[in-house]
Amino acid sequence: DAGVIQSPRHEVTEMGQEVTLRCKPISGHNSLFWYRQTMMRGLELLIYFNNNVPIDDSGMPEDRFSAKMPNASFSTLKIQPSEPRDSAVYFCASSVILAGGNEQFFGPGTRLTVL
Amino acid sequence: AQKITQTQPGMFVQEKEAVTLDCTYDTSDQSYGLFWYKQPSSGEMIFLIYQGSYDEQNATEGRYSLNFQKARKSANLVISASQLGDSAMYFCAMREGPNTGNQFYFGTGTSLTVIP
Repeated sequence: DAGVIQSPRHEVTEMGQEVTLRCKPISGHNSLFWYRQTMMRGLELLIYFNNNVPIDDSGMPEDRFSAKMPNASFSTLKIQPSEPRDSAVYFCASSVILAGGNEQFFGPGTRLTVL
Repeated sequence: AQKITQTQPGMFVQEKEAVTLDCTYDTSDQSYGLFWYKQPSSGEMIFLIYQGSYDEQNATEGRYSLNFQKARKSANLVISASQLGDSAMYFCAMREGPNTGNQFYFGTGTSLTVIP
């Protein structure tokens, strides 16, 4: 079984450019999470979806960040325009919605560097 | 209030010894799940162990066990017979139930170093 797939694995871009991160959750999972991890701030939840619907986007840092999940097998996280402080590892994770149970499965992450 | 609290930023343990990583949580849900993840220096997040709020017995997975004390709202991870490969960051996490949207919360992590 393929796990959570993220692309690209590494992205280097210049300040002001648009960045799109992609995620394919595990087939059959109906909950998807986007996280950002930095040394300074640790692991931060940005947004999560249940059944393709955004449930909580309070972790999205500002309007430059947007996330979509057009169908059960694909999600994007877009940063426009990007800034150096957006440099981080971005993880996508998926899960099955059950009361209190089932772990999240994480993708390998996208390491973003904004110059 | 923090949903997940890990008070030990860093821990050291001698190889082959046992170590306990602390985690306390805060929820008003009756149904929730508690998880531990390991993140080695390579960066991937690896699921280790799960405890359901209704499980009466402590969860165990090989050398990992979860010391679940519901009244104290603690879910400490115990690693027995530490190995050098256990050196990593360890995150405690909680998933609340459907009444609160099945939200996931992570702690700030504990960095474990196993000393030969």
